[in-house]
Amino acid sequence: DAGVIQSPRHEVTEMGQEVTLRCKPISGHNSLFWYRQTMMRGLELLIYFNNNVPIDDSGMPEDRFSAKMPNASFSTLKIQPSEPRDSAVYFCASSPGTGREDQPQHFGDGTRLSIL
Amino acid sequence: GDSVTQMEGPVTLSEEAFLTINCTYTATGYPSLFWYVQYPGEGLQLLLKATKADDKGSNKGFEATYRKETTSFHLEKGSVQVSDSAVYFCALSDQEAGKSTFGDGTTLTVKP
Repeated sequence: DAGVIQSPRHEVTEMGQEVTLRCKPISGHNSLFWYRQTMMRGLELLIYFNNNVPIDDSGMPEDRFSAKMPNASFSTLKIQPSEPRDSAVYFCASSPGTGREDQPQHFGDGTRLSIL
Repeated sequence: GDSVTQMEGPVTLSEEAFLTINCTYTATGYPSLFWYVQYPGEGLQLLLKATKADDKGSNKGFEATYRKETTSFHLEKGSVQVSDSAVYFCALSDQEAGKSTFGDGTTLTVKP
């Protein structure tokens, strides 16, 4: 079975540009999570969706960040405008969802974002 | 709220040494517990899990036992290999919270 698919794997762009990260969760999974990982702050949960509805976005750093999940098989995380401090590895993960807390999250390979 | 506290790293061991990485948790409900491993340049992947008290999860020579009385889920391996070098995350999943809570991760380096 295909795992969680993220694109692009690497993104290098200049400060001020819009960045869009994409994620395809595992088919049948109802929960989707966006994380950011840096050396300084470790792994941070940014936002998560259940059945395509955002449940908790308290981890989103500021208004420059937005996330959408238009359908069960696709989600985006957008940064506009981007800043150098947004440089990090961004992970998407999915899990079967509410009522299946005994099941792990499945992570994609991440998008390594560098803002110059 | 839920929380997970992991032994601080980094941890450096020689090949064939015994490994313990401590993990304790706080949760309002009856969580499931997980250990994830992250190899360089990759995402986190499940190493093992336990879903109720006294369950033992095991995989690839790693083990961890769900101890409700001490709210712990320590990771152990009897003889580590160089290929075990990675970052290890302890996590819990609580039905009330609807999401997982992760520890800060412990970096393990195994030297030949």
